[in-house]
Amino acid sequence: NAGVTQTPKFRILKIGQSMTLQCTQDMNHNYMYWYRQDPGMGLKLIYYSVGAGITDKGEVPNGYNVSRSTTEDFPLRLELAAPSQTSVYFCASSYRAGGYTFGSGTRLTVV
Amino acid sequence: QQPVQSPQAVILREGEDAVINCSSSKALYSVHWYRQKHGEAPVFLMILLKGGEQKGHEKISASFNEKKQQSSLYLTASQLSYSGTYFCGTEGIQGAQKLVFGQGTRLTINP
Repeated sequence: NAGVTQTPKFRILKIGQSMTLQCTQDMNHNYMYWYRQDPGMGLKLIYYSVGAGITDKGEVPNGYNVSRSTTEDFPLRLELAAPSQTSVYFCASSYRAGGYTFGSGTRLTVV
Repeated sequence: QQPVQSPQAVILREGEDAVINCSSSKALYSVHWYRQKHGEAPVFLMILLKGGEQKGHEKISASFNEKKQQSSLYLTASQLSYSGTYFCGTEGIQGAQKLVFGQGTRLTINP
């Protein structure tokens, strides 16, 4: 069981570039999430999904987009990257009323 | 609204006990606890549900006071491996399962 797999692990973007952070889970979890974690801080929810075809905004959705076409995949799209988006991004998945399983994270730097 | 954790940091000797608190201003359906080691993803420890159901690990337990919207994590006879940053995540009564995380409590265990 791979759990939650995120790619890439590291990325440097120039201001204004775009990219997609990939997230795949093989646990058949209905719920999936994207969080960002700034240095020394807690986790902020960007977007989440309760099932294929259903997504909703979290606390900090501006500058991001998501899609959920399958149960397994939940990619996060960054459009027009800005320095404020420099962060570590974690994807997670869960069953209803279950603990989250996090991916290993993507460390993104925007310069 | 983000739950508040206290203390922000704790330094212990191996074998000592620790208590970490998590307080919310909103009515809660559940409280999750996670541990994150430096440079790694958060790892699920336990979940406490409204109504008193509890799940956990040996020597690490938690309580959930629904009336006060507070939870406490108890680490007994701490081991070096307990070092890390502990986060509580709270789920509101009306919400889909999406967690709002506290700012974290850094726990350092010294030999």
